[in-house]
Amino acid sequence: GNSVTQMEGPVTLSEEAFLTINCTYTATGYPSLFWYVQYPGEGLQLLLKATKADDKGSNKGFEATYRKETTSFHLEKGSVQVSDSAVYFCALSTNAGKSTFGDGTTLTVKP
Amino acid sequence: DVKVTQSSRYLVKRTGEKVFLECVQDMDHENMFWYRQDPGLGLRLIYFSYDVKMKEKGDIPEGYSVSREKKERFSLILESASTNQTSMYLCASSLLAGNQPQHFGDGTRLSIL
Repeated sequence: GNSVTQMEGPVTLSEEAFLTINCTYTATGYPSLFWYVQYPGEGLQLLLKATKADDKGSNKGFEATYRKETTSFHLEKGSVQVSDSAVYFCALSTNAGKSTFGDGTTLTVKP
Repeated sequence: DVKVTQSSRYLVKRTGEKVFLECVQDMDHENMFWYRQDPGLGLRLIYFSYDVKMKEKGDIPEGYSVSREKKERFSLILESASTNQTSMYLCASSLLAGNQPQHFGDGTRLSIL
């Protein structure tokens, strides 16, 4: 079956630090890959997506590249802000319409 | 923008009660999902539906049922609430075709006393 493994948290960074959250996946077929963000007290929001190998998704300064050879989709941001503090979920979706989510990584950014 | 609306943000019920959680989406999505989210356990799929009156069990369906009488509405039912069903419940929707992202509501934090 499909699975997503993401870097365990929590992750604590100082403002303006570089962020990487690792994500690897196992899937049959050709999944699309997603990063979602969940701010306190809210549901998940789509942060970025990539639909095929070597695609780069980007949004709000975050980036992730779909690497088929390493089955990875690592999330990066060059300079984090306090407002980026949230839980980040890596996920994949197949033609069946369901998604498989990682366990989430909690990011805290300190001023 | 897609909007997924869950009827309550916070709900407190008693053990043994029948509890209804309602979810409505406004973008004509075929798929709808119910998850529960617990600390350290991530998102766990309870049920999903890909069409009106259709439903499929997810990973943890025990103690729950669902209803989808109209395309835009997906209800989660706790037949006889128990304290171990205290949790955050998230509803989501997506298009059926292709590898589509899901759109989530803000969640219902349910406490069973």
